This record gives sequence, C-alpha cells and structure tokens, in this order.
Amino acid sequence: GQQVMQIPQYQHVQEGEDFTTYCNSSTTLSNIQWYKQRPGGHPVFLIQLVKSGEVKKQKRLTFQFGEAKKNSSLHITATQTTDVGTYFCAALSQTGANNLFFGTGTRLTVIP
Amino acid sequence: SQTIHQWPATLVQPVGSPLSLECTVEGTSNPNLYWYRQAAGRGLQLLFYSVGIGQISSEVPQNLSASRPQDRQFILSSKKLLLSDSGFYLCAWRGGVHNEQFFGPGTRLTVL
Repeated sequence: GQQVMQIPQYQHVQEGEDFTTYCNSSTTLSNIQWYKQRPGGHPVFLIQLVKSGEVKKQKRLTFQFGEAKKNSSLHITATQTTDVGTYFCAALSQTGANNLFFGTGTRLTVIP
Repeated sequence: SQTIHQWPATLVQPVGSPLSLECTVEGTSNPNLYWYRQAAGRGLQLLFYSVGIGQISSEVPQNLSASRPQDRQFILSSKKLLLSDSGFYLCAWRGGVHNEQFFGPGTRLTVL
C-alpha cells in the first residue's frame, strides 16, 4: 500500500541549531504539502510543492521537492522556541479517491 | 472566509457508552469533508471522508461510523466506545488555492 515515511520521528535541538525533516515515498508524487501542528493544536497548512526539484522558502523554512518527486525535505535554520511542534508531509492518495495521505510526522522540540 | 467548528472540545466517556461528535463548516458549499484520528504522539489516521450529503467512505474498519445529514455537517458516531477509541479527533475540509486541508480545532476524547 501507499506509504509516506518521515524521518526522524522525534528531534530535540538546542535553540539556534538547524533542523531537517525528510519525507520519502515509494511512488512518484504529483505534489507534496507540508503542515505544522503546534502542541495541543490542529495541523495548519504551510506550503505545497509541485515541480521536480522545486525549492521554496518561508523566512527560516526551506522546502525542497526531489528531482524524482519521491522525496521532500523541510529545513529550519536557527530554530526558535516558536518552531516547536509536529511537522507532517502529505501527498495525494494513490487510491484515486483524491484524498491526502499524511506522513508519520516529525515532532520537534527546541530547548531554550 | 471559511471556518470549521467542532464540538465538544474535550470529552471523557466510559467504555461502552455512545459517542457523537459534530463538525460544521461555514463559508463554503459542497465541501469534501474528512474525519481523522490522532492517537497520543502519533500521526493522522484518515477514518472517513464524504464528497456529498449521504455519501460516506470508510478508510479503515473500526468501531465508528460517520454521517453527513446536511451539506456542511459531518458527524462521527459510535454505539459502544472502546478504550482504543481514545484520541484526538479532527474534522477537515479540502479547498483553498492549493486544495489543501483545513482542520477544525479537534475533540480530545478519553475513554475510561
């Protein structure tokens, strides 16, 4: 079945250090979306990547889509305590139902 | 603008009791609606989705059911709760510029 794996599952960083989470799929993706869920909150859409090799930036966040469109990454430069939360990637389901299939998520803890 | 409501915010129920969680969407018509469950510290599991009134698709067999009695109303139910039904239940709809998922605030269910 379709799988979108994220690594690492957990990451603890000192404030000011960089952080990267990776999303890998066994199949080619039409696009990929990233979401952030703050502790106790609900996931919120961050960005969508569509093109092979695409790179997008939002302030300290850099999102990349692999050349083969099978993997993606989210990199945060100089983490802050406000970056704490769980980051999910999501891709369209392969079942044809046009549903989003969420990755397993990476929980980021930032130590002040 | 579109908003999504869920209630109650928190719920503590005994094993074997019934469940009814309600989700309503404002500001859009004929939305695709979704129910997700998130176990503590885990990822998002798609439970049900609906593309219209009375149309429900189940992603995983379980102790729960869903109904869509009105265009912008989505209900999650159970006749008899199990301990394993505990979790954070999120309602969502698809839309926006990137056809992204918009999540409601969620209901935190504890079954004792």
